[in-house]
Amino acid sequence: EVQLVESGGGLVKPGSSLKLSCVASGFTFSSYGMHWIRQAPKKGLEWIALIYYDSSNKYYADSVKGRFTISRDNSKNTLYLEMNSLRSEDTAMYYCAKGTGYTSYWGQGVMVTVSS
Amino acid sequence: DIAITQSPSSVAVSVGETVTLSCKSSQSLLYSENNKDYLGWYQQKPGQTPKPLIYWATNRHTGVPDRFTGSGSGTDFTLIISSVQAEDLADYYCEQYFVYPLTFGSGTKLEIK
Repeated sequence: EVQLVESGGGLVKPGSSLKLSCVASGFTFSSYGMHWIRQAPKKGLEWIALIYYDSSNKYYADSVKGRFTISRDNSKNTLYLEMNSLRSEDTAMYYCAKGTGYTSYWGQGVMVTVSS
Repeated sequence: DIAITQSPSSVAVSVGETVTLSCKSSQSLLYSENNKDYLGWYQQKPGQTPKPLIYWATNRHTGVPDRFTGSGSGTDFTLIISSVQAEDLADYYCEQYFVYPLTFGSGTKLEIK
């Protein structure tokens, strides 16, 4: 059974940093691209980043480019999202999802709240 | 960026009825090399994680009931839910994965009368 478990969220102040993790199981993690997608409270879905299976390519939404970094450790079956210079508008539930184009499985999400 | 427009923003139907949700793209999502449309549909029930329903515009993910049907090509797509059940109460999103950044529509809220 495919499982994606996010962690690392919390309440942080504007301008601070946070690193999210997503531990994968139930599939060959090193063979699949992975996404981060977020959803602000009561809002729609926003794709924010993708990393290829071998980390050869990474793509970002303009809203996070230069502030967020997606990475992965295939030896640990873990996906990361390093978030710097956080803003109030980054407050959202953050989901990791399996796939390079379309996604087939999503984690349960981790909440990030940016507030003073 | 490709803009995705969904309509209606909300719709209310009775159990057993059929509902059609629309998704329009600002540019074609059809890749001529493989004749595939890079469009997916997601269902998000209240308080839950989004669940992938459809990929390549028409293919159901494993376990998705056959009352969910994706159709369309190019820039115009639809999700048809036949014989709506009470459990189908949810927000439905379409997403293009033709180019980066990937973009979602703003969603359609399906309510049950």
